Amino acid sequence: NAGVTQTPKFQVLKTGQSMTLQCAQDMNHNSMYWYRQDPGMGLRLIYYSASEGTTDKGEVPNGYNVSRLNKREFSLRLESAAPSQTSVYFCASSEARAGASSYGYTFGSGTRLTVV
Amino acid sequence: AQTVTQSQPEMSVQEAETVTLSCTYDTSESNYYLFWYKQPPSRQMILVIRQEAYKQQNATENRFSVNFQKAAKSFSLKISDSQLGDTAMYFCASPDNYGQNFVFGPGTRLSVLP
Repeated sequence: NAGVTQTPKFQVLKTGQSMTLQCAQDMNHNSMYWYRQDPGMGLRLIYYSASEGTTDKGEVPNGYNVSRLNKREFSLRLESAAPSQTSVYFCASSEARAGASSYGYTFGSGTRLTVV
Repeated sequence: AQTVTQSQPEMSVQEAETVTLSCTYDTSESNYYLFWYKQPPSRQMILVIRQEAYKQQNATENRFSVNFQKAAKSFSLKISDSQLGDTAMYFCASPDNYGQNFVFGPGTRLSVLP
């Protein structure tokens, strides 16, 4: 089925460990995004990639890095995990930037990350 | 910073009744779409309904409809004939002021009671 594939679904890290969250879409979308979801705060944008070869910071980029490997793949890396990064992470994609998008986002299934 | 406000953190409704979830936004985009997403306990984000800002007619999808007031930047979701499967978190989303990304509200947790 066409969509956004996000891995892993669950992860527990120790403080200071690193990990990469993987995301791939097969809808030929130009734009890809990483959000984090915390209780009472909705979804907050970490990084986005408006098109292949470009990445930009969102609202909460500190402690994260991203790579737009190609048009399909957009990964999120935590270099040195901290307890404050305990959250649910969502990858999303869209055919165009938000102001021009008539279909909104297609989301991955999310990653629940716990940093102890 | 741009904000999307959902003033009702939690709501409950009896099965088969009607409920309205509120949302206000403040994008400066002139031509845009607004969205409501549902997040059931499975965590998956599911598109519920979308509204074209330049259309005055309110969008409808089966039991879901919106009340869109462009001047007031208000975009509420009405769920008619509520069903147990409607129990979920609901998020509204608006383009940010640059039209680059979507900004989400904090969510409303809806419980449908039998």
